[in-house]
Amino acid sequence: NAGVTQTPKFRVLKTGQSMTLLCAQDMNHEYMYWYRQDPGMGLRLIHYSVGEGTTAKGEVPDGYNVSRLKKQNFLLGLESAAPSQTSVYFCASRMTGYATEAFFGQGTRLTVV
Amino acid sequence: RKEVEQDPGPFNVPEGATVAFNCTYSNSASQSFFWYRQDCRKEPKLLMSVYSSGNEDGRFTAQLNRASQYISLLIRDSKLSDSATYLCVVNRGGSYIPTFGRGTSLIVHP
Repeated sequence: NAGVTQTPKFRVLKTGQSMTLLCAQDMNHEYMYWYRQDPGMGLRLIHYSVGEGTTAKGEVPDGYNVSRLKKQNFLLGLESAAPSQTSVYFCASRMTGYATEAFFGQGTRLTVV
Repeated sequence: RKEVEQDPGPFNVPEGATVAFNCTYSNSASQSFFWYRQDCRKEPKLLMSVYSSGNEDGRFTAQLNRASQYISLLIRDSKLSDSATYLCVVNRGGSYIPTFGRGTSLIVHP
């Protein structure tokens, strides 16, 4: 039972390079989220999706794009990486309904040099 | 005022101690509540849901006070392995987005 899987686990990028982080869940969850977590800042929502084909901006969306072409996958793209995007990125998913908990992937540790 | 607030700590306690954390929320439309645990450099994981009547899971007890808009987590007989950050999470009715507190750091020492 894989749950939520993120790839890659680690990545080092040069400033200006682009990359895509993949989040895959096998729980048939409707809602999916991308967060970043920086020391002392807690989890900050980048983008989220409430179903296949839908996306919406969260608290810190600038410099990121997302796509949800398939229900089980939520992709986070960095078009032109900046050192300020050095962070740990977590994907999460949950079922519909307000009483449902979120399940997290193991995280992607990204360093932009 | 942040929607969900927690004392960041750290709470530094000896093994065997009892420790309690509170989490306050500002939106009265909040409908469900959770405590998550996050170990260093790992993903948050659900510790327990918080029910209106309160609930207990082994050494852990969670309570909800709707009138004062806070939830609490009590840990009895602390173990070294309880050292972690504890995140409070609130789901609001009508919102797709769970709201996370910044977490409370617990350090249990020998």
